[in-house]
Amino acid sequence: KQEVTQIPAALSVPEGENLVLNCSFTDSAIYNLQWFRQDPGKGLTSLLLIQSSQREQTSGRLNASLDKSSGRSTLYIAASQPGDSATYLCAVSDAGNNRKLIWGLGTSLAVNP
Amino acid sequence: EPEVTQTPSHQVTQMGQEVILRCVPISNHLYFYWYRQILGQKVEFLVSFYNNEISEKSEIFDDQFSVERPDGSNFTLKIRSTKLEDSAMYFCASSGRVSTDTQYFGPGTRLTVL
Repeated sequence: KQEVTQIPAALSVPEGENLVLNCSFTDSAIYNLQWFRQDPGKGLTSLLLIQSSQREQTSGRLNASLDKSSGRSTLYIAASQPGDSATYLCAVSDAGNNRKLIWGLGTSLAVNP
Repeated sequence: EPEVTQTPSHQVTQMGQEVILRCVPISNHLYFYWYRQILGQKVEFLVSFYNNEISEKSEIFDDQFSVERPDGSNFTLKIRSTKLEDSAMYFCASSGRVSTDTQYFGPGTRLTVL
């Protein structure tokens, strides 16, 4: 059964730092991996999707990498800003036909001015 | 930019009552999903829907739950007799012509069962 783990659970950094969030999954038979952002009490905003055949994806200050064979993904945030404060969730798309997402618990990020 | 919408944003109900949560997926999407997130816990898959039928459901999605796409645009989740433990944020998602496409999520419905 696929399990997704995210470390650290929480992170507090000063503004301007570059930071790395980690996601690991137990079954490498995935179709893709998505990173999401969730603000307190709010919905889920998709940040990046990496297909299983890809190694990385970039969007602005965000870069996500995927090492499927070792079951790991990282989300790199460059030059962090207070507006980046949120919970970041990693989800893998199950290898079945219906591609349900299996989720980590998230990393709660606080970027301090 | 197209988005997934959900109504209501917050629903409060008494235990044992029926609730219907509504979603309008992105218009040309073919795959639809419901997930839920109990406070402080992981987001959990409930059900996926394709070609007007359930394609997969989780252990959580028992006989008390049902989904419908009544009119080609709305996608609903019904809980027949709510329990306290059904209190959660319920998210609807849709993805495009290929199920490996990005899943886009609605803002969620917070369900509180008293």
